[in-house]
Amino acid sequence: EIVLTQSPATLSLSPGERATLSCGASQSVSKNYLAWYQQQVGLAPRLLIYDASSRATGIPDRFSGAGSGTDFTLTISRLEPEDFAVYYCQQYGSSPYTFGQGTKLEIK
Amino acid sequence: QVQLVQSGAEVKKPGSSVKVSCKASGSTFISYAISWVRQAPGQGLEWMGGIIPIFGTPNYAQKFQGRVTITADKSSTTVYIEVSSLRSEDTAIYYCASWGQHPPIYYYYAMDVWGQGTTVTVSS
Repeated sequence: EIVLTQSPATLSLSPGERATLSCGASQSVSKNYLAWYQQQVGLAPRLLIYDASSRATGIPDRFSGAGSGTDFTLTISRLEPEDFAVYYCQQYGSSPYTFGQGTKLEIK
Repeated sequence: QVQLVQSGAEVKKPGSSVKVSCKASGSTFISYAISWVRQAPGQGLEWMGGIIPIFGTPNYAQKFQGRVTITADKSSTTVYIEVSSLRSEDTAIYYCASWGQHPPIYYYYAMDVWGQGTTVTVSS
């Protein structure tokens, strides 16, 4: 089973700042099948990025993903108020399709 | 695009079973991998397993093997998850989710379509 470790656990930033979230895998993710999700309180997760760097339909271009193998990042170029939420990475290259423990992005 | 609608909240006693449904729109649903993901209160997301209805064979995370059963009914375009021997730690929101874009792909992928979630509470 691939273990995904996200860092930091909590990130405190202000609107307009740049956010960088990390996701490390215990072994290489097949085909870079790595996704990022955003979850607001009380709602289902929303897919932001798939295949490590492809934006999902309707996702603003301030969200970008990068990385390969075992190291991946999600960058939000300029934080908007609605971006403060919890973010999860997930690998879907090998079963079980595990999630990271999440990064909470909070307003500073 | 596939849409997923789940059954309502459940309250169960420890040791009992619960069965949650996830109805998919569209006849092509049988070609989509549908996963079940749960989230305990205040906790992260956990992939439990899934099924591709056209193939029929479920895929389970080792942790849930033997206590969870995932099935699909092609006639009603509905996928089910049943959890048996419930304990308090099974209290969670259960989501079904899938990659819903056309054309369908016949394997597990990222999930851009999610059900609304079903709250299962296990309490004596």
